Amino acid sequence: DAGITQSPRHKVTETGTPVTLRCHQTENHRYMYWYRQDPGHGLRLIHYSYGVKDTDKGEVSDGYSVSRSKTEDFLLTLESATSSQTSVYFCAISAGENTEAFFGQGTRLTVV
Amino acid sequence: KQEVTQIPAALSVPEGENLVLNCSFTDSAIYNLQWFRQDPGKGLTSLLLIQSSQREQTSGRLNASLDKSSGRSTLYIAASQPGDSATYLCAVTGGGNKLTFGTGTQLKVEL
Repeated sequence: DAGITQSPRHKVTETGTPVTLRCHQTENHRYMYWYRQDPGHGLRLIHYSYGVKDTDKGEVSDGYSVSRSKTEDFLLTLESATSSQTSVYFCAISAGENTEAFFGQGTRLTVV
Repeated sequence: KQEVTQIPAALSVPEGENLVLNCSFTDSAIYNLQWFRQDPGKGLTSLLLIQSSQREQTSGRLNASLDKSSGRSTLYIAASQPGDSATYLCAVTGGGNKLTFGTGTQLKVEL
């Protein structure tokens, strides 16, 4: 299995609070992604990174920010959590352009 | 905008049957197509990656084909087993090395 660790694995938080999810990789892959998975919508891209400090928005980026200060870590922050952000969040990595993507085990986030 | 569709949404077959899962995409300008498996409550496991220049890839009992010009891919599973029960997802890679996913086919293989 690709060395991807997501933390925490489960979190319950209150509306309006900030939340940070962490993705850590041991593969030294260039690309890192954050997706959310919701029933009826499949997986949708939130943000991605193509190198340290190089990030870009995905399809559903509103309400989320990211940071990548080291190759191995990609952080996803919900500035002020809302109930619509209740979801399962997946981190993915890939070595370079046109290469295989590998996924972490996911973080289940509930906003109450 | 790329749209990826998977049909059927759910499928139930008896053990030992050969089966085909379908994936279609609207924009043929892709770099590759990847098939994944997802077990309940788990992450995605990569099964096969087909580059845009390839027609098919095989891994064990799995065979994936790609017809880029028509925007279609199939995943063929031979001699299905109960352990194959899972949700199967296809994803295409476009500009920016970003994956666009279908909503998946939920497969149940019954004894």
